[in-house]
Amino acid sequence: SQQGEEDPQALSIQEGENATMNCSYKTSINNLQWYRQNSGRGLVHLILIRSNEREKHSGRLRVTLDTSKKSSSLLITASRAADTASYFCATERYQKVTFGTGTKLQVIP
Amino acid sequence: DTEVTQTPKHLVMGMTNKKSLKCEQHMGHRAMYWYKQKAKKPPELMFVYSYEKLSINESVPSRFSPECPNSSLLNLHLHALQPEDSALYLCASSQEDLWLAKNIQYFGAGTRLSVL
Repeated sequence: SQQGEEDPQALSIQEGENATMNCSYKTSINNLQWYRQNSGRGLVHLILIRSNEREKHSGRLRVTLDTSKKSSSLLITASRAADTASYFCATERYQKVTFGTGTKLQVIP
Repeated sequence: DTEVTQTPKHLVMGMTNKKSLKCEQHMGHRAMYWYKQKAKKPPELMFVYSYEKLSINESVPSRFSPECPNSSLLNLHLHALQPEDSALYLCASSQEDLWLAKNIQYFGAGTRLSVL
């Protein structure tokens, strides 16, 4: 399987703290994306980083990509209760998108 | 309008039934996807349509039959399913930008399928 691995599998933090999730993958990629899923419903795209980029920011999100280590991290700063969800990294290679195993984040008010 | 609409939201079917899942988008996207997601697992790609032609089939059993009647519609026809096919089926669409290496997918809310 080309599925990526994410860690931690689950993360519980207090509101206002930062949350960091890591993703490792196996093959070369065109880009890496992060998605959020609430309660087993549809996924929402958060941020995309291309293979020639190292860092990207969007609001409270910061993503890094290290293609030499085939790894990425997602940092959510100043977390809110509404950030409670599952977060998936997804690698894309020639139209095929492969999702990582996911991190379940719980933000406690 | 950034919405992908999937119907029905829930579906219960027997192993001898034939049913169809429907997905619709009006964003002008030319790529559409079917994913299967089991509980507590990531989505797994099943099929990709690009410009209304099947471009990727991830070795999905023939009891799942995709169809793309036009650029806005994607169907998944189901026949003789097994209980292990029970899952959340997600549809997505994207406007692939090969030049910028961008392929952001917009997902529907999914159809929760139970096979008895």
